[in-house]
Amino acid sequence: DQQVKQNSPSLSVQEGRISILNCDYTNSMFDYFLWYKKYPAEGPTFLISISSIKDKNEDGRFTVFLNKSAKHLSLHIVPSQPGDSAVYFCAANIQGAQKLVFGQGTRLTINP
Amino acid sequence: KAGVTQTPRYLIKTRGQQVTLSCSPISGHRSVSWYQQTPGQGLQFLFEYFSETQRNKGNFPGRFSGRQFSNSRSEMNVSTLELGDSALYLCASSLVSAGGIAEAFFGQGTRLTVV
Repeated sequence: DQQVKQNSPSLSVQEGRISILNCDYTNSMFDYFLWYKKYPAEGPTFLISISSIKDKNEDGRFTVFLNKSAKHLSLHIVPSQPGDSAVYFCAANIQGAQKLVFGQGTRLTINP
Repeated sequence: KAGVTQTPRYLIKTRGQQVTLSCSPISGHRSVSWYQQTPGQGLQFLFEYFSETQRNKGNFPGRFSGRQFSNSRSEMNVSTLELGDSALYLCASSLVSAGGIAEAFFGQGTRLTVV
């Protein structure tokens, strides 16, 4: 039972354009969501998070949007840079549980 | 501030053996979680420790165990290794706030290969 889904295994975007990564979840108990970036053979790097009491959180080039009614979140990266090429994971948590449930990841490639 | 440190980085073991992996969290972080990453199953939660107590556990067999010490350092142990245990094992530490919400910061991982 995949509670967190990233339906696009890969995404290719031109440098300078906007990258939009999507994530859907099924468990309505999830109330905290995170995005991580991962390079091969390294641990995930935390990017940005959002609580279910918000619908948007912004940090520099990264913005996360949460649509609770649709159980959908997205990560926007603008402008996209070559260094953004990596695998991006969304993760969901239940408050106080510290038990992240990850999606399968989306490989983002930024083309010069 | 030093990040999460995992040792060793790489490990090769034989089926049937046991293995212990170590994790030193970020200073001040009392919550330590372990995850397994495989190509087929993705990133899966193993267990979480807080103040030396296991608070949460994932759906893994009893061959997978862990512990946390008073200085928050943690170890995980896998006994009777199987070929399917080959994976990247990741440790994450969190500074849990009063509201119970905290970002998890990951170490570089330990790549375990079972032959």
